[in-house]
Amino acid sequence: QVQLQESGPGPVRPSQTLSLTCTVSGGSISSGDYFWSWIRQRPGKGLEWIGYIFYSGNTYYNPSLKSRLTMSVDTSKNQFSLQLSSVTAADTAVYYCAREVSSSSWGSYYYYMDVWGKGTTVTVSS
Amino acid sequence: EIVLTQSPDTLSLSPGERATLSCRASQSVSSNYLAWYQHKPGQAPRLLIYGASSRATDIPDRFTGSGSGADFTLTISRLEPEDFAVYYCQLYGTSPRYSFGLGTKLEIK
Repeated sequence: QVQLQESGPGPVRPSQTLSLTCTVSGGSISSGDYFWSWIRQRPGKGLEWIGYIFYSGNTYYNPSLKSRLTMSVDTSKNQFSLQLSSVTAADTAVYYCAREVSSSSWGSYYYYMDVWGKGTTVTVSS
Repeated sequence: EIVLTQSPDTLSLSPGERATLSCRASQSVSSNYLAWYQHKPGQAPRLLIYGASSRATDIPDRFTGSGSGADFTLTISRLEPEDFAVYYCQLYGTSPRYSFGLGTKLEIK
């Protein structure tokens, strides 16, 4: 079955750029049926959707992060990545990658995330 | 912005008991866009329910989603030891794209 695995640097210094990669195994990232998403959970806070990338490279970002956010996809490696610039302590979080499904049945459309990674902890600290 | 409020924050029950978890939206929403997830520490969140009431693949039938409008419920009919976790509801179609409730922690009594 499809599995997702996040990888990242661990600690990041303030003002630097955070880079994370999600490796997809057991399936192809080039399937046009899915969007590839990032979600984070800051300490003591709820889950926050960050954005998604399609295999073609099309992206859609959370407006609150858009000015600092870049996502990319490498279909040859079956990976997608996130870069968040000018990080502060407020970006300390567990970051998850997930596969988003848009499905339809009998004329109704459904949107949800059917596969998630286990998450990677990113700490922004000097 | 649509806000999802989950209640209770913590639910203490024993194996074999019935669990009822609530997710309330700040306005009426499409039930097609409501999903539930289970999350255990150190594990990937697991999709349980989508479209408010459709069980995801391989989810046991003791998990049932219901509701419409602004009120949704996840019911676990007979708790198994592996069901103790944090449960989140999620809504598509908000700004930005998805919003989540803060979760209900289901703990062993």
